[in-house]
Amino acid sequence: GDSVTQMEGPVTLSEEAFLTINCTYTATGYPSLFWYVQYPGEGLQLLLKATKADDKGSNKGFEATYRKETTSFHLEKGSVQVSDSAVYFCALSHNNNDMRFGAGTRLTVKP
Amino acid sequence: GAVVSQHPSRVICKSGTSVKIECRSLDFQATTMFWYRQFPKQSLMLMATSNEGSKATYEQGVEKDKFLINHASLTLSTLTVTSAHPEDSSFYICSARDPRASTEAFFGQGTRLTVV
Repeated sequence: GDSVTQMEGPVTLSEEAFLTINCTYTATGYPSLFWYVQYPGEGLQLLLKATKADDKGSNKGFEATYRKETTSFHLEKGSVQVSDSAVYFCALSHNNNDMRFGAGTRLTVKP
Repeated sequence: GAVVSQHPSRVICKSGTSVKIECRSLDFQATTMFWYRQFPKQSLMLMATSNEGSKATYEQGVEKDKFLINHASLTLSTLTVTSAHPEDSSFYICSARDPRASTEAFFGQGTRLTVV
């Protein structure tokens, strides 16, 4: 079945450092790929998405490119802020079906 | 974007009692909603798929008699944890798909259940 493998955390960075969180997937067909962010005590918020190969999703300085050849959707940000501290989930979904999530990566950004 | 509202955000109940969690789609009709459970520092695990007007589809290992799901309208799904025990303490999150944006699921704020 479909699955998502995500870089294990926790990840601790200094403010303005470069962030990469790796995500690879296994799926049949051509799923849509997502990154969700969860702040403490809250539900999930969509950060960005890509629906087909070579698409780049971007939002709030975060980017991820749908790489079918490497079945990857790595999350990057050039300069992290303290407010980016959260748990990040990579996920995939086929239309109208449930989502499959990676294990989540906890990011802590220190001033 | 579409909004999914989940209530309550936190609930503490005594062991043996039942707790109902509501999930509402506020500005769209959702024929399908999903219920997830999240253990501390772990990912979300799908519990069941809630279908409006029909029985829910449960994932393997999820007790359907313990986690009752009702999807009586196109904007409301409820999850009832029956005869709750401390091991049911967890973070429960619902999601729904907006038919107008079929690739994206919208999530409720989550419900922190503590059974004492």
